[in-house]
Amino acid sequence: EVQLLESGGDLVQPGGSLTLSCAASGFTFNNYAMRWVRQAPGKGLEWVSGISGGGATYYPDSVKGRFTVSRDNSKNTLYLQMNSLRADDTAVYYCAKMGGRSCSSGSCYANNWGQGTLVTVSS
Amino acid sequence: EIVLTQSPGTLSLSPGERATLSCRASQSVTSSYLVWYQQKSGQAPRLLIYGASSRAIGIPDRFSGSGSGTDFTLTISRLEPEDFAVYYCQQYGISPYTFGQGTKLEIK
Repeated sequence: EVQLLESGGDLVQPGGSLTLSCAASGFTFNNYAMRWVRQAPGKGLEWVSGISGGGATYYPDSVKGRFTVSRDNSKNTLYLQMNSLRADDTAVYYCAKMGGRSCSSGSCYANNWGQGTLVTVSS
Repeated sequence: EIVLTQSPGTLSLSPGERATLSCRASQSVTSSYLVWYQQKSGQAPRLLIYGASSRAIGIPDRFSGSGSGTDFTLTISRLEPEDFAVYYCQQYGISPYTFGQGTKLEIK
């Protein structure tokens, strides 16, 4: 059974930093692309980063230069380093296992999700 | 970027009724690469449908997806109490792989 367990969410001040982790089990981790998705309170879903099984990364403009995604295939763990946090980064952050080793046309959808971790950016 | 517009924003129905949710794309979605997710209150999303019409593992057959090109539909044939949730579509044909804004299915 696929399991994804996020951790690291916290209350942080504007301009601060935070690192999220996602521990994966139940599948061959390095065979799948992984993504972080966030959901602001009462809002919809937004991709915030992605990384292929081979390490290629993706960021939307909203977080480019501030967020860094990485993975440790030996530990079956996905990370999201978030810097220069802003109030509009407040959200539940989910990690998601994608449909293939790279998030390309035909496979870039999330077939498994973690339970999420809450990041609150506020003074 | 492909914009996905879901309608209606909120759908009020009773258990046992049929639900029809729409997802319209601003341009044609490659090879019907469209999924539907269900998100219950306080929970993570769950994959329901991929490839526009294929049910994910463990999804009951009362859920069905259809459509191609720019118009896609999620149908729930007979609503159960546990089906009241928010539903999102997402296209994975052309990067960036965008989400719709969601349809809330609520109990009437």
